[in-house]
Amino acid sequence: QSALTQPASVSGSPGQSITISCTGTSSDVGAYNYVSWYQQHPGKAPKLMIYEVSNRPSGVSNRFSGSKSGNTASLTISGLQAEDEADYYCSSYTSIITYVFGTGTKVTVL
Amino acid sequence: EVQLVESGGGLVQPGGSLRLSCAASGFTFSTYSLNWVRQAPGRGLEWVSYISGSSSPKYYADSVKGRFTISRDYATNSLYLQMNSLRAEDTAVYYCARGLYGGYGLDVWGQGTTVTVSS
Repeated sequence: QSALTQPASVSGSPGQSITISCTGTSSDVGAYNYVSWYQQHPGKAPKLMIYEVSNRPSGVSNRFSGSKSGNTASLTISGLQAEDEADYYCSSYTSIITYVFGTGTKVTVL
Repeated sequence: EVQLVESGGGLVQPGGSLRLSCAASGFTFSTYSLNWVRQAPGRGLEWVSYISGSSSPKYYADSVKGRFTISRDYATNSLYLQMNSLRAEDTAVYYCARGLYGGYGLDVWGQGTTVTVSS
């Protein structure tokens, strides 16, 4: 099972919106509405930001939103803030294994 | 407070064994599935293993199948990962993570424990 494909890096200025893509196949992202997104600051554990494509856990800012079209899922961060600078990973359920993660995207706030 | 705390990491020689533990607290242990996820130095996340709330089913990544065994102890609210025949490529920070109740996602993570496989 190959990792889902994410851009290596995305950057934006404070207040701007950025979108991170997560491309899989018809066997994972395209087959199920089971995509989640995680934020990871350096040296810290990942944190769930979005589950089941577009749902936010309690306590996660509404500046974070998720969507999916075909085999590609997306995470949008609006009103970019310095604290959003981190690595972001998508994940999808597959019929082969429970979770497959994306390659990860480093978000830089300029 | 809902919490997961890993332990048991360390330095081990190739071919050796190690058992990781994850102590859970603050939630009804048997209700939730649990997972192990690892992250090699400077690399991305890799899912390793899953165990349901009832201990069946269990799933493994191909990279560890036949070498690693996941289990849980309801008396002590603990999750385990028995790792045998360790290889250099198993070097990573190992996180335990709780499956979202009634949904798909990993909503609680431990702080991680580091495993280094080297001679």
